[in-house]
Amino acid sequence: KNQVEQSPQSLIILEGKNCTLQCNYTVSPFSNLRWYKQDTGRGPVSLTIMTFSENTKSNGRYTATLDADTKQSSLHITASQLSDSASYICGGRLGGGNKLTFGTGTQLKVEL
Amino acid sequence: DAGVTQSPTHLIKTRGQHVTLRCSPISGHKSVSWYQQVLGQGPQFIFQYYEKEERGRGNFPDRFSARQFPNYSSELNVNALLLGDSALYLCASSLVQTASYEQYFGPGTRLTVT
Repeated sequence: KNQVEQSPQSLIILEGKNCTLQCNYTVSPFSNLRWYKQDTGRGPVSLTIMTFSENTKSNGRYTATLDADTKQSSLHITASQLSDSASYICGGRLGGGNKLTFGTGTQLKVEL
Repeated sequence: DAGVTQSPTHLIKTRGQHVTLRCSPISGHKSVSWYQQVLGQGPQFIFQYYEKEERGRGNFPDRFSARQFPNYSSELNVNALLLGDSALYLCASSLVQTASYEQYFGPGTRLTVT
């Protein structure tokens, strides 16, 4: 069972619409949780980083929320643009050690 | 300032061969981590190096090895390639060892094993 589960697996929305992506993690202890945007064939680019004491963080049209009690996070994208089409990966420093653990991502497609 | 750079961008190898992938971190960053990303999956941690020493290793066979040089650049070596090694190999650099800090990913090396 993956330590980080993301949903939905894929999503298609119309340009200008909002959407919310979900991330659940099961590993403790928890140090930080991050959302990345990854264009096809490229490396992930960080959108937000949250520690356990933060429950929301925004980066432009991207807003991430975190509930450390339920081990759930969400990424809300407002007024989507065609350039938002990408894979959105949730992950972070979960458990011991210095590695980052990632989910499998949500593939978002924004259409006209 | 240049970001994380990786070379080559694409590579095609045959089963059983050996491959070396290279990574140059952001200037001033001393920690380099390697990840394997199979198509449709999230990145999987392979190694972390800090100050030229291995500081973490993921669940990968001994065919995978890495090293970090005095200038903090790094190489990932994979021996006896298998079809399943086909993936995007990502390098990430950070200022210090602790994963609480921001990690910046390079564009990756796409390895295809035939």
